[in-house]
Amino acid sequence: GNSVTQMEGPVTLSEEAFLTINCTYTATGYPSLFWYVQYPGEGLQLLLKATKADDKGSNKGFEATYRKETTSFHLEKGSVQVSDSAVYFCALSDSLRLIQGAQKLVFGQGTRLTINP
Amino acid sequence: NAGVTQTPKFQVLKTGQSMTLQCAQDMNHNSMYWYRQDPGMGLRLIYYSASEGTTDKGEVPNGYNVSRLNKREFSLRLESAAPSQTSVYFCASSEFGDRGNTEAFFGQGTRLTVV
Repeated sequence: GNSVTQMEGPVTLSEEAFLTINCTYTATGYPSLFWYVQYPGEGLQLLLKATKADDKGSNKGFEATYRKETTSFHLEKGSVQVSDSAVYFCALSDSLRLIQGAQKLVFGQGTRLTINP
Repeated sequence: NAGVTQTPKFQVLKTGQSMTLQCAQDMNHNSMYWYRQDPGMGLRLIYYSASEGTTDKGEVPNGYNVSRLNKREFSLRLESAAPSQTSVYFCASSEFGDRGNTEAFFGQGTRLTVV
């Protein structure tokens, strides 16, 4: 079945450091890929997405490129801020099973990111 | 904009008690979902409703039932709570799009503890 694997956390960085959170996936067909972010005490929010190979999603300085050849969707940011501290989830949408229009997301385990000033 | 609203935000139950988690969305979305979030496991789909009048099992449906009351509301019921159901529950909604282009919107979650 479909699955998503993220790098183990937690990750602790200093402000202005470069961030990479690795994400790889296993899927049949051509899934769409997402990064969601969860700030403390809140629900998940979509950070960025990519719907086909070689697409680059970007938002708030974060980027991720859909690499079909390596089945990866790594999240990067050039200079992190304290406000980026959150839990980040990589997810895929099971496009082969868009039965009746439902978009069932498969999530990775999440990576907790802490940025120190 | 309210988006997806869940109630309650916190709940403690004794083993064997029942309860219903409520979810409502005001974005006129056709599809709604219930996920549970457990440490180290990400979110897992419990049940979903692709459109009003339909519900289907997700990855971890055992011990739960759902009702799609109307287009706006999708409730999750625990008939006889067990400690293994201690978790954070998230409701989400989305609109049908081409190959998963639509964004899923999540509620703030319900933290449930079963003792």
